[in-house]
Amino acid sequence: DSGVTQTPKHLITATGQRVTLRCSPRSGDLSVYWYQQSLDQGLQFLIQYYNGEERAKGNILERFSAQQFPDLHSELNLSSLELGDSALYFCASSGQDLSGNTIYFGEGSWLTVV
Amino acid sequence: GENVEQHPSTLSVQEGDSAVIKCTYSDSASNYFPWYKQELGKGPQLIIDIRSNVGEKKDQRIAVTLNKTAKHFSLHITETQPEDSAVYFCAASMSGIVDTGRRALTFGSGTRLQVQP
Repeated sequence: DSGVTQTPKHLITATGQRVTLRCSPRSGDLSVYWYQQSLDQGLQFLIQYYNGEERAKGNILERFSAQQFPDLHSELNLSSLELGDSALYFCASSGQDLSGNTIYFGEGSWLTVV
Repeated sequence: GENVEQHPSTLSVQEGDSAVIKCTYSDSASNYFPWYKQELGKGPQLIIDIRSNVGEKKDQRIAVTLNKTAKHFSLHITETQPEDSAVYFCAASMSGIVDTGRRALTFGSGTRLQVQP
């Protein structure tokens, strides 16, 4: 158990709909990262938050947004869903360490768009 | 930005043999190189990592080597067992500035390792 908790584990929704994925980072971790993994694809970085502020953006679509709350949990909002958005969405977290620190992944949220 | 290439994409070995997976990275500023193991339906799990001030690191049957000059690093698994079968990902990143933590990982495309009993 990595200590990173993601909900829901599975989600089926229709095209055009909007969903929210939730992530609780490891206790004390300030950084939260969101990754997308499509079928037989690698892990694509979407966005990073650090202590409530957006830190870095990767290949995140404009239809997607995220935020990190004062209690450090994070949400990834996916809107106007398309079939191609079906994927595993991972949240990861890391702590604050001057020398560099480990990034731990949650078990993922399986999103199926039908 | 960083680009990480990983080879091979699939690897099949006999139980007890060794397995080697290789990665190259493009950004010379990267200083942290973890390896993750992903089993079916699960999240990536860190199995070993190496920082740029070290050339080699070992943990039981797993070892990682880093060549900063050539910008490549490798994962070595000895005495493979069926439970080693999984997808392995290499990754690279750099430490962030003091008050913003680690930069996000850039992953390789993954290697599907199958250990035949």
